[in-house]
Amino acid sequence: EIVLTQSPDFQSVTPKEKVTITCRASQSIGSSLHWYQQKPDQSPKLLIKYASQSISGVPSRFSGSGSGTDFTLTINSLEAEDAAAYYCHQSSSFPLTFGGGTKVEIK
Amino acid sequence: QVQVQESGPGLVKPSETLSLTCTVSGDSISSYYWSWIRQPPGKGLEWIGCIYDSAKTNYNPSLKSRVTILADTSKNQISLKLSSVTAADTAVYYCARGIPVAYFDYWGQGTLVTVSS
Repeated sequence: EIVLTQSPDFQSVTPKEKVTITCRASQSIGSSLHWYQQKPDQSPKLLIKYASQSISGVPSRFSGSGSGTDFTLTINSLEAEDAAAYYCHQSSSFPLTFGGGTKVEIK
Repeated sequence: QVQVQESGPGLVKPSETLSLTCTVSGDSISSYYWSWIRQPPGKGLEWIGCIYDSAKTNYNPSLKSRVTILADTSKNQISLKLSSVTAADTAVYYCARGIPVAYFDYWGQGTLVTVSS
């Protein structure tokens, strides 16, 4: 099983700040890494696919990078509506797995 | 527009079988992969398993002995059965469409199942 380790677990950020969340895979997964945003009492929403590909309708301040074992989700100029938990997910091999999540709080 | 809706009992007794249904509209379940994913209260996401090509399945080894996922193409529904439940199975259960084998692009709203006597 591929283990995804996210960091940090929690981040408290001021609006307009830049947020960086990392996801490290226990073995190489190429670009088979996707990011989701989950707001309280909502289902997860796809933010980035295949490590760096944008999703229609997702604000351009969200971007992803990385390949192999190290990946990053960046939120440029954080807005209040970005308060949420963020999860990475790998589809390189079964069982599909998720990172433990990063909760972003707005100061 | 694809819509996904989970349904089923919100309370299940320990040792019994949890049964949920996912009803899909706007797309045929014969296309894509359809997964069940769960999230214990205040915790992260866990993939349970998926069904594709209407009958092929893949399960998380951690749950494989207790899980059955089936598809009813006549009703455009996917079902989940999880046997011998304990309090550790208390979670919000999501049904999600998966691009094979990649990301989940459509999710249901989720349904909370509590295991308690």
